[in-house]
Amino acid sequence: GENVEQHPSTLSVQEGDSAVIKCTYSDSASNYFPWYKQELGKRPQLIIDIRSNVGEKKDQRIAVTLNKTAKHFSLHITETQPEDSAVYFCAATDSNDYKLSFGAGTTVTVRA
Amino acid sequence: NAGVTQTPKFQVLKTGQSMTLQCAQDMNHEYMSWYRQDPGMGLRLIHYSVGAGITDQGEVPNGYNVSRSTTEDFPLRLLSAAPSQTSVYFCASRPLAGGTDTQYFGPGTRLTVL
Repeated sequence: GENVEQHPSTLSVQEGDSAVIKCTYSDSASNYFPWYKQELGKRPQLIIDIRSNVGEKKDQRIAVTLNKTAKHFSLHITETQPEDSAVYFCAATDSNDYKLSFGAGTTVTVRA
Repeated sequence: NAGVTQTPKFQVLKTGQSMTLQCAQDMNHEYMSWYRQDPGMGLRLIHYSVGAGITDQGEVPNGYNVSRSTTEDFPLRLLSAAPSQTSVYFCASRPLAGGTDTQYFGPGTRLTVL
């Protein structure tokens, strides 16, 4: 099955700086790569996603890049704010495009 | 739309007890799944379903059963609870057709097994 690895496990950044989280996946047939944000005690919520026919996608301060050849994708958050503090998960579908496998998560702390 | 709902929010069981975690969605999604979330281990897939009458195992299925008699409901049964099943359980659903891929999560059930 799909194996998703995520780095780093924790990330502390100064407010206003950028944050980058990287993920690798194992199944070259994976087609869909979402990123979720989870605040303490809450459910994971989708913040951005990308399909394999696109190399980059941006939504205001967040962007995702995908390198299918190397089987890795990254989340970029620019101009970080205290409300960006949360756990972020990357995920990838299997070759059937059904199951989502998740990385172990990155705890992001934005220092004021 | 209520989205994905789960009951109960919290549950405490004794070792060996059984129980059912309820999950329902009102978005007519074909795909539904159950995850457990443990500290430092992300979200691990327990079971999933691509439609009524169809279920399959995820990466950590042992000790859990599921059924999918309707599109809306996907209950998770713990057969004989063990302390290792202490976790937060999330149900999720997503469409398999229709132009959007987004998977939505329920609010979670925090389960403690003593």
